Amino acid sequence: KNEVEQSPQNLTAQEGEFITINCSYSVGISALHWLQQHPGGGIVSLFMLSSGKKKHGRLIATINIQEKHSSLHITASHPRDSAVYICAAHHPTSGTYKYIFGTGTRLKVLA
Amino acid sequence: NAGVTQTPKFRILKIGQSMTLQCTQDMNHNYMYWYRQDPGMGLKLIYYSVGAGITDKGEVPNGYNVSRSTTEDFPLRLELAAPSQTSVYFCASRQQGYLNEKLFFGSGTQLSVL
Repeated sequence: KNEVEQSPQNLTAQEGEFITINCSYSVGISALHWLQQHPGGGIVSLFMLSSGKKKHGRLIATINIQEKHSSLHITASHPRDSAVYICAAHHPTSGTYKYIFGTGTRLKVLA
Repeated sequence: NAGVTQTPKFRILKIGQSMTLQCTQDMNHNYMYWYRQDPGMGLKLIYYSVGAGITDKGEVPNGYNVSRSTTEDFPLRLELAAPSQTSVYFCASRQQGYLNEKLFFGSGTQLSVL
C-alpha cells in the first residue's frame, strides 16, 4: 500500500461541473502539496497546505490533519483544467525535506 | 527569474552509454531534487541536495550520481545506461518558508535507453 493514495485515478467531467480529487496519506506529515502536470509534461505547484483551506481562483484545497486527508476541488470546470493532479506529502525525516508523491489523478474536462 | 532549467528535453541512449542531465535554478534555493516518473507510478526520489557540497541518496539511486558544486547547479549523471533507466526525469527545487513553501520543477527529460 502506498503511503499516499489518490482517488479517483481517472476522472472525466463535463465543462462546468464541480470536481473533487482526494488524497489520503498514512504517514505523519507537516505539509501537503497539490501539483498540476500539464499534458505537455510540465509540473507546477498549486497549493501548499498545513491546515485548513486555501483558495486560488476556481481551485480550493482543504486538509484534515486528524483524518489524514486532503481534497482538491475545481469549481466551474473548463477543458483547460484537463491535466494530471498530484498530491505530495511533505515528510520530514532526520531534518531533511522529502516528499512522497501520489500516483496522480488524470482529469479530462469535455466541452 | 528563469526558475528551474533542465536540459535536454529528450534523449535516446544505447545500453552502456553515459550522459549528464543538467539542472540549474536562479532562485537561490538550497534544496534541490532529482525525480524519475514511470508510467502509473508516483515521482520517485533519486538524489537530493540540501546545499552546495551536500548530496544524499533518495529511494532509487542505483545507476546514478550527482554533484552540487554551486547553489545553482545540480547535474545528474547516468553511468552505463540500462533499459530500466528509461523514464521521465524531473529536477526540482524547494522554496523554504513556513507559509510559502513551494516546489519548482524543470520541464522534464524524456530518456529512452535502447
